[in-house]
Amino acid sequence: SQQGEEDPQALSIQEGENATMNCSYKTSINNLQWYRQNSGRGLVHLILIRSNEREKHSGRLRVTLDTSKKSSSLLITASRAADTASYFCATPLTQNTGFQKLVFGTGTRLLVSP
Amino acid sequence: DAGVTQSPTHLIKTRGQQVTLRCSPKSGHDTVSWYQQALGQGPQFIFQYYEEEERQRGNFPDRFSGHQFPNYSSELNVNALLLGDSALYLCASSRGSNTGELFFGEGSRLTVL
Repeated sequence: SQQGEEDPQALSIQEGENATMNCSYKTSINNLQWYRQNSGRGLVHLILIRSNEREKHSGRLRVTLDTSKKSSSLLITASRAADTASYFCATPLTQNTGFQKLVFGTGTRLLVSP
Repeated sequence: DAGVTQSPTHLIKTRGQQVTLRCSPKSGHDTVSWYQQALGQGPQFIFQYYEEEERQRGNFPDRFSGHQFPNYSSELNVNALLLGDSALYLCASSRGSNTGELFFGEGSRLTVL
């Protein structure tokens, strides 16, 4: 089952515009991660935000985390055609083995047109 | 420094056959996780290996099995293939038992006819 769900499922914007994607999750977490996937390729880690952080920046990326609402957002500013990809949020779930597994959401497909 | 490598990149099988996918983790990583990603969906956790043992498993049938070798590389085996097993199989490596950043390979695209 999915731990997180992204919203919207698909987003189409023009180059230079900002893109905002949202993620909701179900259980308590110690961190939340965002990944990017170009079509049919492997996932690439973008950013990790810890549960005691509210906002984090990395280049043109801005991530927020609201643990009271169990939600996160990813903002990509001044988007480029090369940002076209699927974006996934992921949260770790701790099992009774003590090991954590990373559970991914359903993804947002972003299309940036020149 | 080589990242995560997976082989083969593409393969086609028929129903009922068996398949083995291989993964070499990033240098310095000792934990390997396998994911199945159907078209248009998010990756689904299959299982995770650490110190040559399966540490946890997702909601997949026993037809899915794996192995980790002393050099930390890993195999995913799927028996009695079904059409629904067609997917991109992703291997991810990390260090230790807690999940920080995962490093993914490019995946193995399996088509079952």
